[in-house]
Amino acid sequence: GENVEQHPSTLSVQEGDSAVIKCTYSDSASNYFPWYKQELGKRPQLIIDIRSNVGEKKDQRIAVTLNKTAKHFSLHITETQPEDSAVYFCAASGPGGGADGLTFGKGTHLIIQP
Amino acid sequence: DVKVTQSSRYLVKRTGEKVFLECVQDMDHENMFWYRQDPGLGLRLIYFSYDVKMKEKGDIPEGYSVSREKKERFSLILESASTNQTSMYLCASSAPGTSEGTEAFFGQGTRLTVV
Repeated sequence: GENVEQHPSTLSVQEGDSAVIKCTYSDSASNYFPWYKQELGKRPQLIIDIRSNVGEKKDQRIAVTLNKTAKHFSLHITETQPEDSAVYFCAASGPGGGADGLTFGKGTHLIIQP
Repeated sequence: DVKVTQSSRYLVKRTGEKVFLECVQDMDHENMFWYRQDPGLGLRLIYFSYDVKMKEKGDIPEGYSVSREKKERFSLILESASTNQTSMYLCASSAPGTSEGTEAFFGQGTRLTVV
């Protein structure tokens, strides 16, 4: 089955700096790569996703890049703000596009230092 | 606005009890999922269902079963609760979409403690 590795497990950055979280996956048939943000005590919520026919996607301060050859994808957050503090999870789906569930990384605790 | 609702926020059960966790979604989604979340392990898929009365094992189905009698409701059953099943349980649903994937919407979670 699919295996998703996520690094780092904890990331501390100064407010206003950029943050990068990296994930690798093992199944070359995976074709959907979402990123979820989970604030303390709340449910995970989708912040951005990318599909295998796209190399990069941007939404305001958040961007995701995908390298299918190397089987890795990354989340980039620019101009970090205190409300960006949360746990971030990357995930990958199988060829069913998520109908058979997502495989998640273990999460990155992002801490924004004032 | 999609709403996925889990019946309990917190549960405390005794070892050996049969435990039911209920999940209801109001967006007519075909796909429903149960994950458990443990610190340092992320979210792991227990079972999923892509249609009424259909169920498929995920990555960690041992000790669990599921039921989907109606499209909007997906139940997770712990046949005989054990302390190693103490965890946060998250239900999710998604539309079938295409093979390119669609967003999964999560419930608020049920924190189960087995004593």
